[in-house]
Amino acid sequence: AQKITQTQPGMFVQEKEAVTLDCTYDTSDQSYGLFWYKQPSSGEMIFLIYQGSYDEQNATEGRYSLNFQKARKSANLVISASQLGDSAMYFCAMSGYSGAGSYQLTFGKGTKLSVIP
Amino acid sequence: EAGVVQSPRYKIIEKKQPVAFWCNPISGHNTLYWYLQNLGQGPELLIRYENEEAVDDSQLPKDRFSAERLKGVDSTLKIQPAELGDSAVYLCASSPARGASSYNEQFFGPGTRLTVL
Repeated sequence: AQKITQTQPGMFVQEKEAVTLDCTYDTSDQSYGLFWYKQPSSGEMIFLIYQGSYDEQNATEGRYSLNFQKARKSANLVISASQLGDSAMYFCAMSGYSGAGSYQLTFGKGTKLSVIP
Repeated sequence: EAGVVQSPRYKIIEKKQPVAFWCNPISGHNTLYWYLQNLGQGPELLIRYENEEAVDDSQLPKDRFSAERLKGVDSTLKIQPAELGDSAVYLCASSPARGASSYNEQFFGPGTRLTVL
């Protein structure tokens, strides 16, 4: 069974500063994927970034980067140059094999990020 | 390209009443998911469809919940009768990925916020 842990219920960051959102995971699978989603108050889950378990380089997408430390089973999200529009809930998720040739997402409880002007 | 469409966005009903949610996935996406998101939690999978077949419904409370995906496109999730504890956001997602890949990016709709009084 897969498990995702996000230990920060809420975080504050000053506009234009960088912030790190923590995520640790637990799995016995060798092949898995790690995702970060953003959920603004409108409710829609927005895909931000993906890291495969076999990827040796940390994933980056614009201002988002994923600090992947496989031995520590952590996949922290780093947001650089925070903007007011970054205020939202952030969810870490892991895709694990669920049988029948398919993968399934397991989500953490999320971290609420507030960007201060 | 149009995203995942869900309706209604909000629904308020009294306990013991029936309720239905509708989802139209992104065109061409074979896989469709229904998630339950309680307040302050991450989404939890209720059921997954591959085309019109429900391939994983182990988390669906079958005594009161039912779902269908006729013709492998639109899907409906029904609760009958609704209970106070069913108050939550119901998210629909779709994915073009099929096969054994950990890169299972899912595209989410805005969700339906259900309040049971």
